[in-house]
Amino acid sequence: GEDVEQSLFLSVREGDSSVINCTYTDSSSTYLYWYKQEPGAGLQLLTYIFSNMDMKQDQRLTVLLNKKDKHLSLRIADTQTGDSAIYFCAEGAGGSYIPTFGRGTSLIVHP
Amino acid sequence: GAGVSQSPSNKVTEKGKDVELRCDPISGHTALYWYRQSLGQGLEFLIYFQGNSAPDKSGLPSDRFSAERTGGSVSTLTIQRTQQEDSAVYLCASSLGPEIYEQYFGPGTRLTVT
Repeated sequence: GEDVEQSLFLSVREGDSSVINCTYTDSSSTYLYWYKQEPGAGLQLLTYIFSNMDMKQDQRLTVLLNKKDKHLSLRIADTQTGDSAIYFCAEGAGGSYIPTFGRGTSLIVHP
Repeated sequence: GAGVSQSPSNKVTEKGKDVELRCDPISGHTALYWYRQSLGQGLEFLIYFQGNSAPDKSGLPSDRFSAERTGGSVSTLTIQRTQQEDSAVYLCASSLGPEIYEQYFGPGTRLTVT
């Protein structure tokens, strides 16, 4: 079955770049997503990438997709304390309307 | 505009009691999802509604769990005879349609079973 793996924690200093990594197993994945969850809140879609793309950039966010290795990363440039949250990777396969989520990476930004 | 709302935000119940959790999706969104988030775990899919189609209940963990969606809008998740392992945050999400590239999540209901 499908599986999405993420490291559980990442700690960075304010102003540095953060890179959150994710691996998935379903080779038929069509969409890959990054969601952000702040304390006490639901998930907020940050960005997504189609499987036929290698990279997507949106302001401070850069998503890289290595389809061969089934590896997805989210880079946050100039990380701020407001970026502290849990980041979830998720994948959706063609024909399935139910995405598979990773366990989330808790990003801690130190001043 | 209004986002996805859920009520109650917190619910404490005694083991064995029934609970009802409510979700109001964004107006016009035909797809609605329920997830469960336990501490340190990812999101566990529970049930999916799309328009008037039969719901996908493949994620419901036991027959104590059920959900309905009335009029294609508001949804209620019911847990009967609650157990301590049901304690979790229950999240609802909606999207414009069966495409899953953009889900909008509610703030969740934190359920504690004592």
